[in-house]
Amino acid sequence: DGGITQSPKYLFRKEGQNVTLSCEQNLNHDAMYWYRQDPGQGLRLIYYSQIVNDFQKGDIAEGYSVSREKKESFPLTVTSAQKNPTAFYLCASSIPDRGSQPQHFGDGTRLSIL
Amino acid sequence: GQNIDQPTEMTATEGAIVQINCTYQTSGFNGLFWYQQHAGEAPTFLSYNVLDGLEEKGRFSSFLSRSKGYSYLLLKELQMKDSASYLCAAQDSNYQLIWGAGTKLIIKP
Repeated sequence: DGGITQSPKYLFRKEGQNVTLSCEQNLNHDAMYWYRQDPGQGLRLIYYSQIVNDFQKGDIAEGYSVSREKKESFPLTVTSAQKNPTAFYLCASSIPDRGSQPQHFGDGTRLSIL
Repeated sequence: GQNIDQPTEMTATEGAIVQINCTYQTSGFNGLFWYQQHAGEAPTFLSYNVLDGLEEKGRFSSFLSRSKGYSYLLLKELQMKDSASYLCAAQDSNYQLIWGAGTKLIIKP
């Protein structure tokens, strides 16, 4: 069954700690995305990647970093520079630049501060 | 700037019909998506409109007016499982999605 797997489902971060959220897809999609979802707000784009070894900052990239070494994988690191990391993080993938193709989402990671 | 507006919350009765509206302003336009999101879960794709008019898919229909920057999602024969948030997202000229905050739909028996 094709899909997107995010892990872990829940994650706790200590002060000054970097944490990495995993996102793996087997849909053979070139494009992958990371969003942050806060209560009462729309999804906000953190980073996106249209192809392996290339990625672009989204609207709220400060305090986050990504890598795209493999087509299937797009991990997100929440660094200690991100002062308000508590949120629901969603990873998505799609066929890039094809208007009618929807983004497919993983089940999300909920990050909290200890 | 780019902006999406949709109501924060709506309440409807099981078996009834509800219309969720969405207005958008984007730099260019390459279509509008509707997603359903149950609490704590991933958004799932419902519909895509790029041309004016109504697209029907079973109990769900979606309408678009490009000249008015307006879309709506129509849900018929409401069921309790339709209780969820409904997210509207417009695709700009760079194929980036601009997301609304979502409309929480509460279904009452």
